[in-house]
Amino acid sequence: QSALSQPPSASGSPGQSVTISCTGSINDVGGYRLVSWYQQDPGKAPKLMIHEVNKRPSGVPDRFSGSKSGSTASLTVSGLQAEDEAEYYCSSYAGNNKWLFGGGTKLTVL
Amino acid sequence: EVLLVESGGGLVQPGRSLRLSCAASGFVFDDYAMHWVRQIPGKGLEWVSGISWNNDNIGYADSVKGRFTISRDNTKNSLYLQMDSLRPEDTALYYCAKDESRGVPVGGLDVWGQGTTVTVSS
Repeated sequence: QSALSQPPSASGSPGQSVTISCTGSINDVGGYRLVSWYQQDPGKAPKLMIHEVNKRPSGVPDRFSGSKSGSTASLTVSGLQAEDEAEYYCSSYAGNNKWLFGGGTKLTVL
Repeated sequence: EVLLVESGGGLVQPGRSLRLSCAASGFVFDDYAMHWVRQIPGKGLEWVSGISWNNDNIGYADSVKGRFTISRDNTKNSLYLQMDSLRPEDTALYYCAKDESRGVPVGGLDVWGQGTTVTVSS
C-alpha cells in the first residue's frame, strides 16, 4: 500500500497555468473515479478542491480543474494567483475500504 | 456552522493506548462516512481509517491495521479512534474529516477538524 506519486514541487508565474500529476496504479487511481485533491496552507487543515476526479465543491474557483488518464490523475490551476501558493495533495480510493494520499506537491507562484 | 472538534490527544509511552474523539455539529452526522487522517509535522497526509454512515464499511491503513479501531456513535454525533500498541511512528497530528457524499463514501473530505496531537515517546 504505497502512497500515490506526486512531484515534490511545481511553479508558475501569475496568470499562467500549472498542472500537478498524481500517479498510482490500476488498483487505485486507474481503477476508480474516486480521486480528490486538497490544498493545504501551512498550519491549516486541508481544503477539498476537487472530488470524484473533476467535481468542484461549491466555493472553489473554476480555475481549478481535475482530470484522469489511466492511472494518472491531474490537477490544473489556470490563471495562477499568489493565493494559490500552497501544498497540494491527491487522494484515491484503493479498494477494500482503503484510501491513499499522495506525497504532496509544493506549488510556488513566482 | 459545520464543525468537527477532535480531542483526546497527548503524550503516551510506546505500547500504551489512547482514544481520540471527534465531536460533530452542524450537519446530519449519521448520513455521512467519516475518516481519520494524520500528518507528521512538516510531512504529508496519511489516511488512517474510515467508517461508513452505518458501520457496514470500515477500512484501515496497513500501518495501523490490527492496532487501531474506528467507531462512531450516531446518537452522540461522535467519531472515535481507539489506538492500541502505540509506536513512536504514530506520532502525528490526527484529523477527523467528513466525507462529502451521503451514503457510499467517495473520499472527498469536505470538512476537517483542527486536529489533535498524539506524541508517542518514552
